[in-house]
Parts: sequence; C-alpha cells; structure tokens
Amino acid sequence: SQQGEEDPQALSIQEGENATMNCSYKTSINNLQWYRQNSGRGLVHLILIRSNEREKHSGRLRVTLDTSKKSSSLLITASRAADTASYFCATDPNTGANSKLTFGKGITLSVRP
Amino acid sequence: EPEVTQTPSHQVTQMGQEVILRCVPISNHLYFYWYRQILGQKVEFLVSFYNNEISEKSEIFDDQFSVERPDGSNFTLKIRSTKLEDSAMYFCASRRDRPNYEQYFGPGTRLTVT
Repeated sequence: SQQGEEDPQALSIQEGENATMNCSYKTSINNLQWYRQNSGRGLVHLILIRSNEREKHSGRLRVTLDTSKKSSSLLITASRAADTASYFCATDPNTGANSKLTFGKGITLSVRP
Repeated sequence: EPEVTQTPSHQVTQMGQEVILRCVPISNHLYFYWYRQILGQKVEFLVSFYNNEISEKSEIFDDQFSVERPDGSNFTLKIRSTKLEDSAMYFCASRRDRPNYEQYFGPGTRLTVT
C-alpha cells in the first residue's frame, strides 16, 4: 500500500467537460496538495487543503477532502485543452521543519479540443 | 510573481563524477527541499533544510549527497560520486513559515549519468 494513490491513472475527456480525479492515502495528514506537471516540466502548485477543511475552491478547481475515508478529489470544471497534463496529489503528514510531501503516481489528463 | 529557479536545466556527467545542482528559492521562504523523479516514477522526497541544517532526509539521501546554503539566496545539492541510478529530474522546492505549507517547485534539473 502506498501513500497518495490517484485514480484513474489516465483520463481522456472532451473540452468543456468536467474532470474528476481522486486520491487516497494511508496515514494521517496535516494537509494535502495538488500539483500539475506538463510533460517533462516542473510541478505547478494548484491548491492546498488542510486536514480540518472539507472543500476548497480556486477558479475552476474544486478540491474536497474526506479524512475519515482518507481520500481527496480534484474537480476541474469546463476543461480546456491547456489543462492536458499530469496531476499529482501529495500528502504532508507533518508541520514545521519536518514537513515533507509524499506524492502519488499521478493521473494523466488528456483534454480533446 | 516570485519563482524558484534551478540551474542547469540539464546536466550530463560521467559515472563517478561530482555534480552540484543549484537552486534559488523564493526570497522570503524559510524551508527548502530537494526531491527527485526518476523517469516514469513518482516524485520522491530527498531532504528538507531549515535554519541552516537538515531537518529530515530520506533513505535515498545517503553519504553521497549533501546540501548547502552557501549564502542568503542559493541552495545546492551535491552528489559526490554519481551512479547511473542517480539519473533523474531533481526538483528544488521552498515554502514560507507556518501557517503556510504550500511548497513551490522549481522547473527541475535533468541529471543524466553516463
């Protein structure tokens, strides 16, 4: 079992549709963060949700967190071709100096024009 | 908007050689990190650095690795004697003080060991 497992592994949708990506984890967390990575590029921070939060919005992004089920979901509404990328959830179990992220394998999202 | 920068973008080295990967974190950040991503695999934590010392390191971060913040802006990762399996993308990240936990990543350095 691994921390930060996303599903599905790959998702292909039409432009304008919504994309929902899920992440499950095993241990307790302080926060969970979602990142985007375009092919061969760096990790772009999308959104952070704390363990005491249940839902958070940022533009077309909506993140939920269910600590009882140890799961999170990332919803991208009205997807665009430019949203094509890999998406990762990363869990942070600690606070302060020992904060570190454990990443999942990622979800490959393809948005067809 | 401030960004984490990394140099070089691509480094090719021969097995057994020393490499230094450089990062300039965001200026008001206090916590610094190195991660790596072997091609097709997960991003893995290597080391965290705070208050001029290592606060945590992973099993990957053995005696061949070291980090340094030589001045007020740079943060470096040194691999003393590179191995073929060190080939990966290396990411530097930084974050502000609590209660901010967002880690911002640089564009990465692709290290190729031949």
